[in-house]
Amino acid sequence: DSGVTQTPKHLITATGQRVTLRCSPRSGDLSVYWYQQSLDQGLQFLIQYYNGEERAKGNILERFSAQQFPDLHSELNLSSLELGDSALYFCANSLAGGLGEQYFGPGTRLTVT
Amino acid sequence: EDQVTQSPEALRLQEGESSSLNCSYTVSGLRGLFWYRQDPGKGPEFLFTLYSAGEEKEKERLKATLTKKESFLHITAPKPEDSATYLCAVQASSSNTGKLIFGQGTTLQVKP
Repeated sequence: DSGVTQTPKHLITATGQRVTLRCSPRSGDLSVYWYQQSLDQGLQFLIQYYNGEERAKGNILERFSAQQFPDLHSELNLSSLELGDSALYFCANSLAGGLGEQYFGPGTRLTVT
Repeated sequence: EDQVTQSPEALRLQEGESSSLNCSYTVSGLRGLFWYRQDPGKGPEFLFTLYSAGEEKEKERLKATLTKKESFLHITAPKPEDSATYLCAVQASSSNTGKLIFGQGTTLQVKP
């Protein structure tokens, strides 16, 4: 158990809808990363927040956004969902904002029908 | 462009049959290389971090090594419970953030 929690575990929704995924960090970890894992793309970095501020963006669509709150939990918002957005979404935490291992949560499986 | 390639894509071993997984990387500057284990439907579980060529790390039946172009994950006398997908990832100097660039993974099946 990494100590990182994600809710919900599963989410089924329709195209065009909006969902929010939640990540609660390990105690003391200031950085949160969001990754998307699909069968054809593997694990892809989406976005990083460090102590409430956006630090880096990866292949994140404009329909997706994230934030990190003062208590360091984070949310990933996905809107105008398309079938291709179906994937596993993971958050990961690390103590610092740069070099070092990341600890992953159990993921949220999103299915868009 | 920073890139990570893992081989083979899939590997079937008999229990006790040792082997190695390969991770080749092309990055502007390697800051760190990471190995993770992922079970189906679960989040990646951290195994090792390697920072410089020549470095080695061991944990139970697993040993990770690093050269300037690749890393190997050696599995000695594997057991069925070692069956999983093993992921390699790098942090590159081209980014001053901690984002991980992952390979596609090697799916290992160990038969009793």
